[in-house]
Amino acid sequence: GNSVTQMEGPVTLSEEAFLTINCTYTATGYPSLFWYVQYPGEGLQLLLKATKADDKGSNKGFEATYRKETTSFHLEKGSVQVSDSAVYFCALYTGGGNKLTFGTGTQLKVEL
Amino acid sequence: GAVVSQHPSRVICKSGTSVKIECRSLDFQATTMFWYRQFPKQSLMLMATSNEGSKATYEQGVEKDKFLINHASLTLSTLTVTSAHPEDSSFYICSADATGSTDTQYFGPGTRLTVL
Repeated sequence: GNSVTQMEGPVTLSEEAFLTINCTYTATGYPSLFWYVQYPGEGLQLLLKATKADDKGSNKGFEATYRKETTSFHLEKGSVQVSDSAVYFCALYTGGGNKLTFGTGTQLKVEL
Repeated sequence: GAVVSQHPSRVICKSGTSVKIECRSLDFQATTMFWYRQFPKQSLMLMATSNEGSKATYEQGVEKDKFLINHASLTLSTLTVTSAHPEDSSFYICSADATGSTDTQYFGPGTRLTVL
């Protein structure tokens, strides 16, 4: 079956530090890959996505590249801000009922 | 575009009562809506998939009679937690996809249910 593995948090960084949140997946077929962000007390917002190998999704300074050879979709940002503090979820979709498979989420805390 | 709303955002109820949560797609028609449950510091657990005009498909382990889902129109799905108990306290999130073929879901802001 499908699964998504994320690095455990919380990840605590100073403002302007470089961010990497690792995500690897197991899936049948060729999944679409997503990063969602959840701010405190809110629902999930789509941050970025990639639908095929070597695609790079990017948004708000975040980016992630679909690496089929390593089955990974690591999230990166060159300079984080306090406002980036949130929980980040990696997810995949392989069709068949439109179901998303989520990772467990990684909490990011950015301090001044 | 692609905004999903939920109402209420927070609800507190007494044990044994029923609570209805609404999920609306505001600017698009949603053939399919999804209901998730999220425990503190945990990921989202898919409870059921709801298609307009048909019965919901529940995930394994989710009680159909406990969590009643109705998808009466292309813009509205409701989740009713019947005879709520403290263990039902959780954050409930709905999502919708804009067309049947998209791989992107749009999420509502969530409803915090507290059962006393």
